[in-house]
Amino acid sequence: ILNVEQSPQSLHVQEGDSTNFTCSFPSSNFYALHWYRWETAKSPEALFVMTLNGDEKKKGRISATLNTKEGYSYLYIKGSQPEDSATYLCAAYNAGNMLTFGGGTRLMVKP
Amino acid sequence: NAGVMQNPRHLVRRRGQEARLRCSPMKGHSHVYWYRQLPEEGLKFMVYLQKENIIDESGMPKERFSAEFPKEGPSILRIQQVVRGDSAAYFCASSTLAGATDTQYFGPGTRLTVL
Repeated sequence: ILNVEQSPQSLHVQEGDSTNFTCSFPSSNFYALHWYRWETAKSPEALFVMTLNGDEKKKGRISATLNTKEGYSYLYIKGSQPEDSATYLCAAYNAGNMLTFGGGTRLMVKP
Repeated sequence: NAGVMQNPRHLVRRRGQEARLRCSPMKGHSHVYWYRQLPEEGLKFMVYLQKENIIDESGMPKERFSAEFPKEGPSILRIQQVVRGDSAAYFCASSTLAGATDTQYFGPGTRLTVL
């Protein structure tokens, strides 16, 4: 069983602030890292899938980087907006052929 | 294209009863995954199915839990003789393929409460 950890568990920022949080995972037998955005009362929504060391993906104001050698990924949000408030999940896919999720980072953006 | 559908959204059962949770994958998706989220915990993998086959059930408790994905109809997660510890949110996801980079699309979940 993989140990995927996310930090911080929760984060409060002001509208307009840029922020970032971390996902760490075992670097051995790594295949891919998935990021999801999960709003309350909705389904988790896929953001990015990353595989290569040094990879960087971007979607609007949200971007993510990947370091497979040291086993971490950062998610960045530039100029946070209240609608960015959600729980952000990462999940690692390893040789066990399943996604192992972290506990999530709960982001709250105050207007 | 409708997303992943789950029903019911909320289910209340008394201890000892059976719970049946249904999941209809996205159109064209033949891979289904079930996850459980216990209170104050993250999503935990339970079982992975393809049409008519269980591929990986390593995350599913051996007793009282079963899953199926028949040729026709939705995938069913069945919990027999429910206990209070089964109270959780159960999420289903589906994908077109089952590789490391294939996105799993999630349903809205079924919240099971055992009284």
